[in-house]
Parts: sequence; structure tokens; C-alpha cells
Amino acid sequence: DTGVSQDPRHKITKRGQNVTFRCDPISEHNRLYWYRQTLGQGPEFLTYFQNEAQLEKSRLLSDRFSAERPKGSFSTLEIQRTEQGDSAMYLCASSPDGGSYNEQFFGPGTRLTVL
Amino acid sequence: DQQVKQNSPSLSVQEGRISILNCDYTNSMFDYFLWYKKYPAEGPTFLISISSIKDKNEDGRFTVFLNKSAKHLSLHIVPSQPGDSAVYFCAASPLGYSTLTFGKGTMLLVSP
Repeated sequence: DTGVSQDPRHKITKRGQNVTFRCDPISEHNRLYWYRQTLGQGPEFLTYFQNEAQLEKSRLLSDRFSAERPKGSFSTLEIQRTEQGDSAMYLCASSPDGGSYNEQFFGPGTRLTVL
Repeated sequence: DQQVKQNSPSLSVQEGRISILNCDYTNSMFDYFLWYKKYPAEGPTFLISISSIKDKNEDGRFTVFLNKSAKHLSLHIVPSQPGDSAVYFCAASPLGYSTLTFGKGTMLLVSP
């Protein structure tokens, strides 16, 4: 099964360090999304790619956050100078192109803990 | 400002009975609605969706009802099974728009 995969599954880091997460979408999906989920909340949208183009970014995505999808396949999300408030589950999702409706398929997430 | 609201944090149901999970939304531009199920330590799994041109969509034990005038949707699970115990998220999107707005989720516990 080639569902959405994310690596690492867990990351513990000290405040001020940089971290990078990877997402591999379902192979035929052109759209890729990053969400963040904190305790007691639903997933919150961070950013969205159509192939390699980053088409939308949330206000939640501060200057310390950067995402890339260089060849339109896998994506990376980097957080620089991590803060304790960055502790969350980072979820990646993908969906096929075309059509008006938007059924997204999620990966297992990367849980980040900032000490 | 929460645009998608799931006002019940939790719901307990006995096996074999009906589970009804509710969701309200405030953004009148939303016209596509989805339900996801999430187990601990896993990502959300898509369950069922409905577009605003319908008022009901059914898939096996799962049925979603949409009342556009009330800006309300519900997910019915019949019959409920212990394996249905999970957190259920309601999500919404405007037509042709790429991002989903999620509610906070409702934890469903189905007891044998």
C-alpha cells in the first residue's frame, strides 16, 4: 500500500534548534498539504502545493516555517529556531488533481516536542 | 472565530445502537463537507463526504445528513461497533477551494 508517509514519526528537540520533516504523498496525487494539530484541536491548515508550486500559506505559517516540494513529489517542512509553542502533531495530506471536491488523505503525522 | 463547531467533546453509545455526531458551521461559502475518523497515534482517515447539492449520503453503516438552511450536518453510524471508538472530525471546504477547515472533534466510545 502506498499511502501518505511521514518521517520521522516523533521528534524531540531543544528550543532554538532547527527541525525538518518529510512527507511522501500518494504517488499519483498532485496536491500536497501540511496541517498542524495541537491537543484538543482539529487539524489547522498551514500550506498547500500543487505539484511544485506553493499556492497558499496560512497566517499560522510564521517566518520560521518554510516548506518545499522541489520536484513535485515529496515535501519538506522546516522549522527554524523552534519554540515550545511549536510542539504539535504535523500532518501531511495529499489529494488528486482535478474536480471541484477535495478529499484529502492523511499521513500518520510527525509529533514534535520542543523542550 | 471557529467556523466549524463540534459542540460535543465526547459521546458514549452501546454496541448495536445508533451513534449520532453533530457538526455546525458558520461560513455560508462552505459547500463540501467531510467526516474523518482518527485513532490515537494515527493520521485522520477519510470516512464519508457530502456536497451541498445533496442532503444525504450513505456508505454502508455511515450516513451523513446535511441541512444547509440550519448550517448543520450529522453523521449517523448504525449499528455502532466497538471498533468505531475514535475521534471524529467534521471538515468543510468551499467549492473549488483547496483547504479544509476542521472542527475540534468528538470522541466516540462504543461499549460492548
